[in-house]
Amino acid sequence: DAGVIQSPRHEVTEMGQEVTLRCKPISGHNSLFWYRQTMMRGLELLIYFNNNVPIDDSGMPEDRFSAKMPNASFSTLKIQPSEPRDSAVYFCASSGHGSLHFGNGTRLTVT
Amino acid sequence: DAKTTQPPSMDCAEGRAANLPCNHSTISGNEYVYWYRQIHSQGPQYIIHGLKNNETNEMASLIITEDRKSSTLILPHATLRDTAVYYCIVTRDSGGSNYKLTFGKGTLLTVNP
Repeated sequence: DAGVIQSPRHEVTEMGQEVTLRCKPISGHNSLFWYRQTMMRGLELLIYFNNNVPIDDSGMPEDRFSAKMPNASFSTLKIQPSEPRDSAVYFCASSGHGSLHFGNGTRLTVT
Repeated sequence: DAKTTQPPSMDCAEGRAANLPCNHSTISGNEYVYWYRQIHSQGPQYIIHGLKNNETNEMASLIITEDRKSSTLILPHATLRDTAVYYCIVTRDSGGSNYKLTFGKGTLLTVNP
C-alpha cells in the first residue's frame, strides 16, 4: 500500500493566483480529511468527506477555499484567489474504520 | 471533546523508556484517548488508542489511570527516530470514524544519543 499520496509536495505561487492541491486516499478508505498546519494555529481540520460527500466543512476559512471529492480515489482542495496568509502545510488524511492515515503534505507558499 | 494538557517538551536518552504524560481531567465516559506523533516534515502518524484498559502494540504502551483523568504513553526503548511531536487527543469514536480529531500543541520529545 502506497499510503495517502499528495501532490505537489511544494507549491510556490503569487498572491491572487489559483492553487489546487491534490490527494489520493488509501484504497478502500471511505473517509477523507483536509487539514492545514501553521506554527501559529497548529493542525486545523478544514473539511471532512464520508463516502465522497462533504460532511463537515466548518473549518474552511472562507469562500476562497473549496474542496471536492469526485470519486473515492481523488480529492482536491482549491484556493482562489490565494493570499500570503494561506501559506501553510496542507495535509490530506484518509480513514476506514479506525485511525487516520496522513499524507506527507503540500507546503504552500504564497508570495 | 475533552481538552488535553501535555508538557511542551521532554528529553530522553536513547535506549531508555520515554514516558509521555497527558492530562484529560474532563474526559467523558464515551471518549477515547488517542496518541499520534509527527516526525519533522511528515504527516501525523497514529500510535495507539484506548478507552479504559491499558493497551500495547508494536510501537508503544498506553497506560490510562483508573479514573481516566490522565494517561501515559510509553515508548519502551526510545531511538533517535522517535524524536517527534507527540499528540494526545480525546475524542468520541463515532461510528468508527474519529474525524473530530482536534490537535493541540503536543509534546516535543527529543531523544538524545
